[in-house]
Amino acid sequence: AQSVTQLGSHVSVSEGALVLLRCNYSSSVPPYLFWYVQYPNQGLQLLLKYTTGATLVKGINGFEAEFKKSETSFHLTKPSAHMSDAAEYFCAVSASHNFGNEKLTFGTGTRLTIIP
Amino acid sequence: DAGVIQSPRHEVTEMGQEVTLRCKPISGHNSLFWYRQTMMRGLELLIYFNNNVPIDDSGMPEDRFSAKMPNASFSTLKIQPSEPRDSAVYFCASSLISQTNTEAFFGQGTRLTVV
Repeated sequence: AQSVTQLGSHVSVSEGALVLLRCNYSSSVPPYLFWYVQYPNQGLQLLLKYTTGATLVKGINGFEAEFKKSETSFHLTKPSAHMSDAAEYFCAVSASHNFGNEKLTFGTGTRLTIIP
Repeated sequence: DAGVIQSPRHEVTEMGQEVTLRCKPISGHNSLFWYRQTMMRGLELLIYFNNNVPIDDSGMPEDRFSAKMPNASFSTLKIQPSEPRDSAVYFCASSLISQTNTEAFFGQGTRLTVV
């Protein structure tokens, strides 16, 4: 079984400040981890993903995330928040590497508000 | 590619009516997912197809819900009869599952309101 926990359903940061969105996962096999962003009335868009290799992954819009196996975490960060970053962010895990039987399990989401 | 295309974008229907949601995945993708998003329950996976075959439908809430994928370029999610508690945004996503890629691409969703 696999699961994702996102700490903080709402996060507010000032424009220009560090963004930190937390994600912890549970998986019985090495996970694939994802962060998606959802803007109002839109579908989900992939920000970044970790499958294997380098544990620090960089994504679009200046976001990055670090896979820490010892902490079972995959927190999302951005050094300097921009107003356009206001959205809902979802962490997801795929822990079934039986190709042909993949599915993503999503966290409950974190709504990011940027304060001018 | 135009991405994953869902129709309609919005649907308002009366309780008891049949509702059909449609999805056209990205050409060449071999997997298709139906998700439901509500404030209370977040994003829930309803059903997942691989090469047009349903692999996991454990998320389908009850027998009123059914999904089909008659070919690689089309899928439907049907609710019959619909109930107010089915009101949600329904997302379709597709993916090319391979050794190196499991990224899912989402459509813009269908907002369903059952009154």
